[in-house]
Amino acid sequence: NAGVTQTPKFRILKIGQSMTLQCAQDMNHNYMYWYRQDPGMGLKLIYYSVGAGITDKGEVPNGYNVSRSTTEDFPLRLELAAPSQTSVYFCASSPPNGRDSQYGYTFGSGTRLTVV
Amino acid sequence: AQSVTQLDSQVPVFEEAPVELRCNYSSSVSVYLFWYVQYPNQGLQLLLKYLSGSTLVESINGFEAEFNKSQTSFHLRKPSVHISDTAEYFCAVTPYNQGGKLIFGQGTELSVKP
Repeated sequence: NAGVTQTPKFRILKIGQSMTLQCAQDMNHNYMYWYRQDPGMGLKLIYYSVGAGITDKGEVPNGYNVSRSTTEDFPLRLELAAPSQTSVYFCASSPPNGRDSQYGYTFGSGTRLTVV
Repeated sequence: AQSVTQLDSQVPVFEEAPVELRCNYSSSVSVYLFWYVQYPNQGLQLLLKYLSGSTLVESINGFEAEFNKSQTSFHLRKPSVHISDTAEYFCAVTPYNQGGKLIFGQGTELSVKP
């Protein structure tokens, strides 16, 4: 089925470890996003990309890095995991053409990350 | 800059009762408005959206929302809820022609009891 695929679904990291959260979409969407969801806080934008080779910071980028080498993939990298990064991470994409935002986003099913 | 405030963090309601989930936003430019729903342990799904035209928009499962520009609100309503409507609901906005970033509210947890 077409959509946004995130892996892994769950992960436990120790403080200081690194990992990459994978995100892939097969809808030829130009725009891709990473959000984190914390209880009572809604979703906060970490990074976003408007196309291959172009990325930009969102509201809460500290402690994360991204790359966008292809249209399909948008991995999120945590270099030195900290307990404050315990969260549920969602990747999303939106359609091409200038007024993408009108159509809403397609979200992945999320990655639940715990840092201990 | 934009911000979204969902006025209730939790809304408990009995089955078949009406419900309203409140959403207010702040923006210096015009915005598109959305409601998303998140069922337990799942990602977010688009419930309905306001882009232009009629200020009352409806979803396929009986929810509706009304855009009120003067009050900068986009409240979500349903006249009769079901157990299956139990979920978290997020209001979100994105400004016209500014790259499509969604700004979310804090979420409202709707709990429908039998």
